Amino acid sequence: QQQVRQSPQSLTVWEGETAILNCSYENSAFDYFPWYQQFPGEGPALLIAIRSVSDKKEDGGFTIFFNKREKNLSLHIKDSQPGDSATYFCAASETSNTDKVVFGTGTRLQVSP
Amino acid sequence: GALVYQYPRRTICKSGTSMRMECQAVGFQATSVAWYRQSPQKTFELIALSTVNSAIKYEQNFTQEKFPISHPNLSFSSMTVLNAYLEDRGLYLCGARDWGVYEQYFGPGTRLTVL
Repeated sequence: QQQVRQSPQSLTVWEGETAILNCSYENSAFDYFPWYQQFPGEGPALLIAIRSVSDKKEDGGFTIFFNKREKNLSLHIKDSQPGDSATYFCAASETSNTDKVVFGTGTRLQVSP
Repeated sequence: GALVYQYPRRTICKSGTSMRMECQAVGFQATSVAWYRQSPQKTFELIALSTVNSAIKYEQNFTQEKFPISHPNLSFSSMTVLNAYLEDRGLYLCGARDWGVYEQYFGPGTRLTVL
């Protein structure tokens, strides 16, 4: 059973567009949601994270919109650049136990120049 | 800043042999270290979670007998894949976290190929 789901599986946008990556979860106890960016051959790098007490988090062109009632969130990448082409993983955990992080299956983003 | 190093970055071993991988945290205390395996089919699989001064907790389908882990101090952890077979192939990731901090930082991974 996949506790964290992501869509789409892959996404292609043009340079300068906003890429929207979606994530949903099942466990209502999850209250911390980090997004990781992974380039081929590298480990995942923490990009931005949100706690469930907030409905929006912005950082350097990346924005998370969070809907607790619907148990979903999205990552918006504004003014996408070819260098943003990577796989993005949504993850979830409970702040009482952030050691146990559940990852989604990832969205592969391709930004075309 | 918080950095996590892993080595080797890539390794090839013959079926039935073992290999050890290491994880080093720099710039913070790795109070807890989680070892994952990433494969195309199964995204991130948590193998085990190690917290200093606590017992190592293995996830279902992973055992200490197969994946022994050492976490001797707040900056270092190692894991060995014993008797590796084809199904053990993948990218092994170390995620480390300091006490009281939500963020888990990952190393670049050790890619294991089994021939």
